[in-house]
Amino acid sequence: GQNIDQPTEMTATEGAIVQINCTYQTSGFNGLFWYQQHAGEAPTFLSYNVLDGLEEKGRFSSFLSRSKGYSYLLLKELQMKDSASYLCAVSRSGGSYIPTFGRGTSLIVHP
Amino acid sequence: EAQVTQNPRYLITVTGKKLTVTCSQNMNHEYMSWYRQDPGLGLRQIYYSMNVEVTDKGDVPEGYKVSRKEKRNFPLILESPSPNQTSLYFCASSLDINYGYTFGSGTRLTVV
Repeated sequence: GQNIDQPTEMTATEGAIVQINCTYQTSGFNGLFWYQQHAGEAPTFLSYNVLDGLEEKGRFSSFLSRSKGYSYLLLKELQMKDSASYLCAVSRSGGSYIPTFGRGTSLIVHP
Repeated sequence: EAQVTQNPRYLITVTGKKLTVTCSQNMNHEYMSWYRQDPGLGLRQIYYSMNVEVTDKGDVPEGYKVSRKEKRNFPLILESPSPNQTSLYFCASSLDINYGYTFGSGTRLTVV
């Protein structure tokens, strides 16, 4: 089976930097996804990490440590529109590879 | 426009009345999956398909059926809906195991 943990809720100030952590325990790890989901909308893909290290994409970066079972999503220069849920999802090798999602972290950005 | 289309967006039905939620993608994706999303539980996988005529159970398959007769379509069937299937349902597709999934807009189902 898989176990994926993320904080339930975080708050941050507009213009600041926030780091959302995700830890996982799984057999046969393949890769880790991050998605953003605004209230009432579908999740949208943000990033995918297979190898250890940091992947940067504009204001968003994602980090993976396979040996520690740990990832984080880093959001810089926060904007009000970044208020959303951030979903960590893990795909496993040797199986379907279809991602299994954590329960998500609700990020509230205030002025 | 590349997209995943689900229908209907909203549905209220009665216990036991068979229903189908359609899902279609125009991106020639191999992988398709159905998820349900419930408060406090996150997205949970119901069924998935890795190609035409290849489907398998996810984490919460009880009470659901799927079929994949064509690459673009992956309908979700509830033969005898019950109130515990009241949820927000998402269909998603992906080109490959190492690509992000594209999600449909969701179907909010209420079973009374």
